[in-house]
Amino acid sequence: ELKVEQNPLFLSMQEGKNYTIYCNYSTTSDRLYWYRQDPGKSLESLFVLLSNGAVKQEGRLMASLDTKARLSTLHITAAVHDLSATYFCAGMAQGGSEKLVFGKGMKLTVNP
Amino acid sequence: SAVISQKPSRDICQRGTSLTIQCQVDSQVTMMFWYRQQPGQSLTLIATANQGSEATYESGFVIDKFPISRPNLTFSTLTVSNMSPEDSSIYLCSVDRGPQETQYFGPGTRLLVL
Repeated sequence: ELKVEQNPLFLSMQEGKNYTIYCNYSTTSDRLYWYRQDPGKSLESLFVLLSNGAVKQEGRLMASLDTKARLSTLHITAAVHDLSATYFCAGMAQGGSEKLVFGKGMKLTVNP
Repeated sequence: SAVISQKPSRDICQRGTSLTIQCQVDSQVTMMFWYRQQPGQSLTLIATANQGSEATYESGFVIDKFPISRPNLTFSTLTVSNMSPEDSSIYLCSVDRGPQETQYFGPGTRLLVL
């Protein structure tokens, strides 16, 4: 059974700083997703990572996937207040079911 | 991309009653998913709804409590039956558009049970 763990669960950082958050998963996952959720809102898709070594970047966020280590990272560069949100990673269980297993989420607060 | 709408967007209900949530997608999809997000928590999959077959429920969720319909390839409903305050959550439907896109989520239905 696929399990997904995120680390840390809470992060408070200063604007302009860099930080990396981690997502570990327990068994082979077909795909790895990163989502953002603002308070009172639904989930916004950030990245889908499909293969070992995949790296995707959008603005100040960069996600990578290491399938051998069963690890994905989300790197934040020069954080700004607008990045404050909860970030979820999710793995897709193998077998074609397309169902996602979510981590607990990381609440990020970027302070001026 | 996918455009997903849900109705209602929010509701306040009395315990013991039932609420049916609708999910409409702008194009045909094979599988639709229903998730629950309890306050301050992550998302948990309730069930997968395939058109033309019974929904597949995850451990801890049963059809009597969460009956699901999937009458066609663009629409699904989730009913939360005999509600209790513990059912207060956000209920989200989602669809998968394949590995080159993503799994899209609807705006959610915010349910408060008194």
